[in-house]
Amino acid sequence: DTGVSQNPRHKITKRGQNVTFRCDPISEHNRLYWYRQTLGQGPEFLTYFQNEAQLEKSRLLSDRFSAERPKGSFSTLEIQRTEQGDSAMYLCASSLNGVGTQYFGPGTRLLVL
Amino acid sequence: KNEVEQSPQNLTAQEGEFITINCSYSVGISALHWLQQHPGGGIVSLFMLSSGKKKHGRLIATINIQEKHSSLHITASHPRDSAVYICAVNFGNEKLTFGTGTRLTIIP
Repeated sequence: DTGVSQNPRHKITKRGQNVTFRCDPISEHNRLYWYRQTLGQGPEFLTYFQNEAQLEKSRLLSDRFSAERPKGSFSTLEIQRTEQGDSAMYLCASSLNGVGTQYFGPGTRLLVL
Repeated sequence: KNEVEQSPQNLTAQEGEFITINCSYSVGISALHWLQQHPGGGIVSLFMLSSGKKKHGRLIATINIQEKHSSLHITASHPRDSAVYICAVNFGNEKLTFGTGTRLTIIP
């Protein structure tokens, strides 16, 4: 088991473009979480899944954001029509049954020009 | 409002010093986590606790549920301890609410 992985690690895009990030959790973990971290701040919750079901979405997640976990394994986070304010580190974490430690991936750093 | 506050925001110390980072939260929690984030972004979980005290190597975490306060201590600090330390809590559900972090720099 290699832990939580995220791809890509870095993404530079122009305003208005769509981007998609992928997260592969620890294989036996049924919970998967997405967080966003802007410079100098702590991470903020975006959404989370139990298996393939999306259980909660933050109001931070505007209608330009969508996340899915189609087979209950990897997850994707898509941002449509990116804005400069979307520039941040997008972090994924997973846990077993929502109890205990969340294990974080290395993050995807997005820069919108 | 569910809030988490950390202090100090920045801390610089000499190698070998005893370090304390504080975290306070607004309402009752089910668990509190201390996390370490190195430059480049990766986050590592150090402790999860809901009562009392935990120790791992030179790191000690304590929590006082009545006072809604937790501390992270580092004994015999070393330059490799330099990182951002983040307090995060579960306010009765799975999602984490994070503090803004404490940037620790240990000077050789």
